[in-house]
Amino acid sequence: DAGITQSPRHKVTETGTPVTLRCHQTENHRYMYWYRQDPGHGLRLIHYSYGVKDTDKGEVSDGYSVSRSKTEDFLLTLESATSSQTSVYFCAIAGGDAETQYFGPGTRLLVL
Amino acid sequence: RKEVEQDPGPFNVPEGATVAFNCTYSNSASQSFFWYRQDCRKEPKLLMSVYSSGNEDGRFTAQLNRASQYISLLIRDSKLSDSATYLCVVNRPGGSYIPTFGRGTSLIVHP
Repeated sequence: DAGITQSPRHKVTETGTPVTLRCHQTENHRYMYWYRQDPGHGLRLIHYSYGVKDTDKGEVSDGYSVSRSKTEDFLLTLESATSSQTSVYFCAIAGGDAETQYFGPGTRLLVL
Repeated sequence: RKEVEQDPGPFNVPEGATVAFNCTYSNSASQSFFWYRQDCRKEPKLLMSVYSSGNEDGRFTAQLNRASQYISLLIRDSKLSDSATYLCVVNRPGGSYIPTFGRGTSLIVHP
């Protein structure tokens, strides 16, 4: 299995609070992605990164920001959590050929 | 039309059955195609890539039909352990690797 971890694995928070999710990889892969998965919607791309300090928005980026200061870490921040951001968040990585994505185990976030 | 469409199912089949899933995509310039498998409450995992000439991995066969813009996954001799959601993935053209996921097809294999 690819070396990719996410923390925390579960989080309960209140509306209006900031939340940061961390994705850490040990594969030295160039590409990193944040997705959310909700029933009826499948996986939707929030933000992605193609290198250190190089990030771009996905299809559902409103209310989220990201940072990548090191190759191995990709942080997702919910600036002010809302109940609509209750979801399962997956991080993924892809190597130089970018042909295959490897996913982390996911973070289950509940916003009350 | 959605970029990638799949029949959500569920497909309910007995052990030993052959089952096929299709996935259609809207961008004719798409270059790369994959099937992922996702077990309940787990992360998606690559099942197989889909090549123009078609490819087989044991009981699994994937095919690409560029003219009709669909890919397929055939599972022969279904096992209970094949029960999962199968995600179709299409890589957007243009150089940057931004995959688009279908919503998945649920397969339930029963004894």
